[in-house]
Amino acid sequence: SQKIEQNSEALNIQEGKTATLTCNYTNYSPAYLQWYRQDPGRGPVFLLLIRENEKEKRKERLKVTFDTTLKQSLFHITASQPADSATYLCALDGGGNKLVFGAGTILRVKS
Amino acid sequence: DARVTQTPRHKVTEMGQEVTMRCQPILGHNTVFWYRQTMMQGLELLAYFRNRAPLDDSGMPKDRFSAEMPDATLATLKIQPSEPRDSAVYFCASGNLVGEQYFGPGTRLTVT
Repeated sequence: SQKIEQNSEALNIQEGKTATLTCNYTNYSPAYLQWYRQDPGRGPVFLLLIRENEKEKRKERLKVTFDTTLKQSLFHITASQPADSATYLCALDGGGNKLVFGAGTILRVKS
Repeated sequence: DARVTQTPRHKVTEMGQEVTMRCQPILGHNTVFWYRQTMMQGLELLAYFRNRAPLDDSGMPKDRFSAEMPDATLATLKIQPSEPRDSAVYFCASGNLVGEQYFGPGTRLTVT
């Protein structure tokens, strides 16, 4: 069956460092992959979409890679700030514009 | 600033009561999704619509849940009768043509 795995443990990093979050998947061939941010008590917020024919995509301090051979996406936040602390969700194309979400990784950036 | 709105934001009800949640998607988006989020299960897709037509409701308990989209500005999710295990946060999201989804603030449902 289809499976998405994100770091189950929280990622704690120091302000200014680069945070790297991982999303692995099995039994999937998604046409695209998305990353969302979720703050406590709020709905997920769309960050980036990357397609299967794209290796890398950037938006300001964010960078996403998509390796369809390894079945993995990496999400990087450079020069991290305490305001980046949140849960980050990976979501894969489930066909017909549906998304299948991972459980999310909690990121804590300490000043 | 276009955004998805949901009402109510919080709902506490007794087991057996009917619950109706409403969503106004972003104008121009062609897909609307209903999700449920719990600590144990994460974010689960319940149902979704494209151009107001229901496409998939396989994630929903059919005997008690129903989802409708009576017009382009309103989607509803109804639970009748509600049970304590339905307690969760319910999100509505609208999607654009490239597949990006924009979520509402959610309805936190507590069934006692």
